[in-house]
Amino acid sequence: GQQLNQSPQSMFIQEGEDVSMNCTSSSIFNTWLWYKQDPGEGPVLLIALYKAGELTSNGRLTAQFGITRKDSFLNISASIPSDVGIYFCAGPFHGSSNTGKLIFGQGTTLQVKP
Amino acid sequence: ETGVTQSPTHLIKTRGQQVTLRCSSQSGHNTVSWYQQALGQGPQFIFQYYREEENGRGNFPPRFSGLQFPNYSSELNVNALELDDSALYLCASSLGGQNSGYTFGSGTRLTVV
Repeated sequence: GQQLNQSPQSMFIQEGEDVSMNCTSSSIFNTWLWYKQDPGEGPVLLIALYKAGELTSNGRLTAQFGITRKDSFLNISASIPSDVGIYFCAGPFHGSSNTGKLIFGQGTTLQVKP
Repeated sequence: ETGVTQSPTHLIKTRGQQVTLRCSSQSGHNTVSWYQQALGQGPQFIFQYYREEENGRGNFPPRFSGLQFPNYSSELNVNALELDDSALYLCASSLGGQNSGYTFGSGTRLTVV
């Protein structure tokens, strides 16, 4: 079945550093989504990507939809303590565009040292 | 506008029991999706409801069932609870439609003992 593989599994960085994480799949996706989940909360959408090659920013966050449609990356610049959390990539099942039926990666846990 | 509200926030049940979890979707949202998130994992899609009808299901057994009401609130029912059903259950609501954004609730933490 479809699977999303995220790397790295966890990161421990110094405040102010840039962060990069990625997500790969053996299947093609039409949409890539990046979420952040804080402890005790549901995931919150950070960035949505709808087109191969698309590069989108949201403040200090930048994400790209890979040309092959099988990968995506998320960069965070100048990290701050509130960036701590678990970051998930996700994509709709079976090449659809229904963003309510998502496959999620296993997450990248980010810890930031002040 | 209010967000997505789930109840209860925490629940402990015994193996073999049945449980009902509730979700009040964001105002005006007619589509609800439910997910199961085991500890240390990403959420897994259970099913989606659109205008009171099931609209797709993930790889979960029939003892996981759902309902959506005319006001678009929703329930997730799990029968014959197993220890592996212990997880955070999330619902997410949307206006529906292609590429529409979904808002997640904070979830119900279910522990089966």
